[in-house]
Amino acid sequence: NAGVTQTPKFRVLKTGQSMTLLCAQDMNHEYMYWYRQDPGMGLRLIHYSVGEGTTAKGEVPDGYNVSRLKKQNFLLGLESAAPSQTSVYFCASRMRLAGGHNEQFFGPGTRLTVL
Amino acid sequence: GQQLNQSPQSMFIQEGEDVSMNCTSSSIFNTWLWYKQDPGEGPVLLIALYKAGELTSNGRLTAQFGITRKDSFLNISASIPSDVGIYFCAGFGLDSGGSNYKLTFGKGTLLTVNP
Repeated sequence: NAGVTQTPKFRVLKTGQSMTLLCAQDMNHEYMYWYRQDPGMGLRLIHYSVGEGTTAKGEVPDGYNVSRLKKQNFLLGLESAAPSQTSVYFCASRMRLAGGHNEQFFGPGTRLTVL
Repeated sequence: GQQLNQSPQSMFIQEGEDVSMNCTSSSIFNTWLWYKQDPGEGPVLLIALYKAGELTSNGRLTAQFGITRKDSFLNISASIPSDVGIYFCAGFGLDSGGSNYKLTFGKGTLLTVNP
């Protein structure tokens, strides 16, 4: 199993440009998440999905949109990038709550710089 | 909302020393997770704890789920240079609305091991 994979690994954007980050998982997990990680701020939840076709807002959703058209994929979109969105973005997934096993697995991250 | 206090924020130790870090919360969790993040990588799950009082080991790592369900600690014995990284705790429990489960992260402990 590849686990959770993310593309691209690195990206540089100019202010106002748009882009989509792709997350894929091969563990048949129901739940998928997008986080951003900034120095001193820890991991902050942007959006999440509890199943195919469903999405919900996390702590810091402004400026981002997501889609979960297929169970294995979770896309994070930036419609008009801003320098404040310079960060490292992590995708994560976990199985539906069953027997108390709530292990969440992370991808390797996408490093985004907005100039 | 739920908050996790992780301490210490950073540690600088000599190779061979034992290390201890902990997380405390004002909320009850039903799962505690400990992750390690190497520079430029995503968090990797080290240990998962599911029951109050549970003590679990993974090689030189030992973690415990506090009896009150509001705290957890991670110990690393006989540290080696490759233990360097950021260690995160995460607690899994109901959100403030009481209807959805979420994972709350500590801010991390930066561990430096001097050879």
